[in-house]
Amino acid sequence: TQLLEQSPQFLSIQEGENLTVYCNSSSVFSSLQWYRQEPGEGPVLLVTVVTGGEVKKLKRLTFQFGDARKDSSLHITAAQPGDTGLYLCAGELTRFQKLVFGTGTRLLVSP
Amino acid sequence: GAVVSQHPSWVICKSGTSVKIECRSLDFQATTMFWYRQFPKQSLMLMATSNEGSKATYEQGVEKDKFLINHASLTLSTLTVTSAHPEDSSFYICSASAGAIYEQYFGPGTRLTVT
Repeated sequence: TQLLEQSPQFLSIQEGENLTVYCNSSSVFSSLQWYRQEPGEGPVLLVTVVTGGEVKKLKRLTFQFGDARKDSSLHITAAQPGDTGLYLCAGELTRFQKLVFGTGTRLLVSP
Repeated sequence: GAVVSQHPSWVICKSGTSVKIECRSLDFQATTMFWYRQFPKQSLMLMATSNEGSKATYEQGVEKDKFLINHASLTLSTLTVTSAHPEDSSFYICSASAGAIYEQYFGPGTRLTVT
């Protein structure tokens, strides 16, 4: 069973639109990361959130960690073609000393 | 800082042969390294965790005799796919951590194609 479910799985939008990607679980995580991955490359870390309810902003990207530390969201404002890629959330399971990756959201932003 | 390299970046091998993939932390000492596998259009799945100088811990369903992991130094871990078959074709990604599990630095990945 997949511990972290992301939605939507695929999103195709026009440049300038806003979007939100969700990452949900029934498990509690010590921290949660968001990554972006481009084809043929490793994932690149965007942000780490560690406190329930925490909100972090990275230019046009806003990340929120749920109060119960079971879910997270990524909101992109005024999407650009350069935002195209696979977005992955990953939760830290401290007890098991590992990260669990979400199912992934593939974003395509067209000019 | 915190750069992780993988070699080779891609490899094609014949069925039945073995392939070794290297993962190096270039500018820090990695106490823990992780090996992931990613199928096309899917997410990363953890295969195993290795700590320097000790045996790797494999995830459920991963054959330890098929995917041999060695972490002989604080900057190098290797994954050897033994007797490779076409179903082993995948994108293999390593990551390295100097401490906290959530602070993993990922390599660029190695694409393995078994013919």
